[in-house]
Amino acid sequence: NAGVTQTPKFQVLKTGQSMTLQCAQDMNHEYMSWYRQDPGMGLRLIHYSVGAGITDQGEVPNGYNVSRSTTEDFPLRLLSAAPSQTSVYFCASSSEQGTEAFFGQGTRLTVV
Amino acid sequence: KNQVEQSPQSLIILEGKNCTLQCNYTVSPFSNLRWYKQDTGRGPVSLTIMTFSENTKSNGRYTATLDADTKQSSLHITASQLSDSASYICVVTRWGSYIPTFGRGTSLIVHP
Repeated sequence: NAGVTQTPKFQVLKTGQSMTLQCAQDMNHEYMSWYRQDPGMGLRLIHYSVGAGITDQGEVPNGYNVSRSTTEDFPLRLLSAAPSQTSVYFCASSSEQGTEAFFGQGTRLTVV
Repeated sequence: KNQVEQSPQSLIILEGKNCTLQCNYTVSPFSNLRWYKQDTGRGPVSLTIMTFSENTKSNGRYTATLDADTKQSSLHITASQLSDSASYICVVTRWGSYIPTFGRGTSLIVHP
């Protein structure tokens, strides 16, 4: 099984550009989430979804949008990239909140 | 403020030795505590999940303990292997919240 698949693995953006990080899972999980991981800090939740059509903000949602049109996909959109958004982004899914979460391999994003 | 503190920040041990990692938290009311292993350049992988009523949970050579009264958890690794070299992350979720609090992790290096 593929589990949680993130694309791309690496991306370089110029300040002000927009892009979408893709996340797909094949485990029929209801709960999906996006995190960013910065050096010296714990992972921080950006946005999450408890099911198709339902999304909500996490700790650090500013500058990011999400949508959940299907159970499988949960894309993360950067509207106007800023250097402060340079980070490693992880998508995760679980059958419900509080159960074992499966993480993708991560997307390393650099904004110059 | 909900916090999760891990110690030590880094640890170097010889292959075959045991070690214990610590996690103290202030998150309240408590829902669950999870330990993850994160290899360099990869997403976190779940090791254990414990709820309020669970004191100990094992996953192979990994044993997690939880003292909900003192708000402390430990992760004990038995007979360490080179493949145990990774960052170990403690995550605590507050009851009724979808937003977990991540510790900064303990970086473990196992030398031959």
